[in-house]
Amino acid sequence: QKEVEQNSGPLSVPEGAIASLNCTYSDRGSQSFFWYRQYSGKSPELIMFIYSNGDKEDGRFTAQLNKASQYVSLLIRDSQPSDSATYLCAVIGYSTLTFGKGTMLLVSP
Amino acid sequence: DAGVIQSPRHEVTEMGQEVTLRCKPISGHDYLFWYRQTMMRGLELLIYFNNNVPIDDSGMPEDRFSAKMPNASFSTLKIQPSEPRDSAVYFCASSPTTQNTEAFFGQGTRLTVV
Repeated sequence: QKEVEQNSGPLSVPEGAIASLNCTYSDRGSQSFFWYRQYSGKSPELIMFIYSNGDKEDGRFTAQLNKASQYVSLLIRDSQPSDSATYLCAVIGYSTLTFGKGTMLLVSP
Repeated sequence: DAGVIQSPRHEVTEMGQEVTLRCKPISGHDYLFWYRQTMMRGLELLIYFNNNVPIDDSGMPEDRFSAKMPNASFSTLKIQPSEPRDSAVYFCASSPTTQNTEAFFGQGTRLTVV
């Protein structure tokens, strides 16, 4: 059973702070890793993807991957109230995306 | 491209009735996925197609659920008979390939079975 685990939250941070979202996965054969953002009542949308160990930065977002520890994280710098959403970690092994249940992030003004 | 299009956006039906959800993937995408999302179980893959052929339906909960993709631009997910525990948001998504590319989601169909 391939599993992707996330803390459900909510994770509460003040505006301007760094939000750190974490994800672990069970399938060592996983090759690609994605972070999706889902606003309440909306569909998931891709924020970032990462394939190699290390960090990948895109604007205020940084994805971090450690395959040895089977761990993926997403850092959001200078958090804004508009970042308040549920963040879904997703992993591809040999075929399809397996999603975690998501972490709710609340950014207070 | 208008993205993945699902219909209806909302569906309320009585237990025992047949429900059909529809999806039009992004043109040129070879893969189509049906997901179900609930608070308890999160986003679960029900079935996916590659070039209109069902590849993995192991996520389909039971025989009451069926999915078809008669052509590259249309897919349906049918529940017959529907039950209250089927209430969820059903998402259709498409992608060019399964590996290393994102899945693009439709707006979802919120199904309520009373």
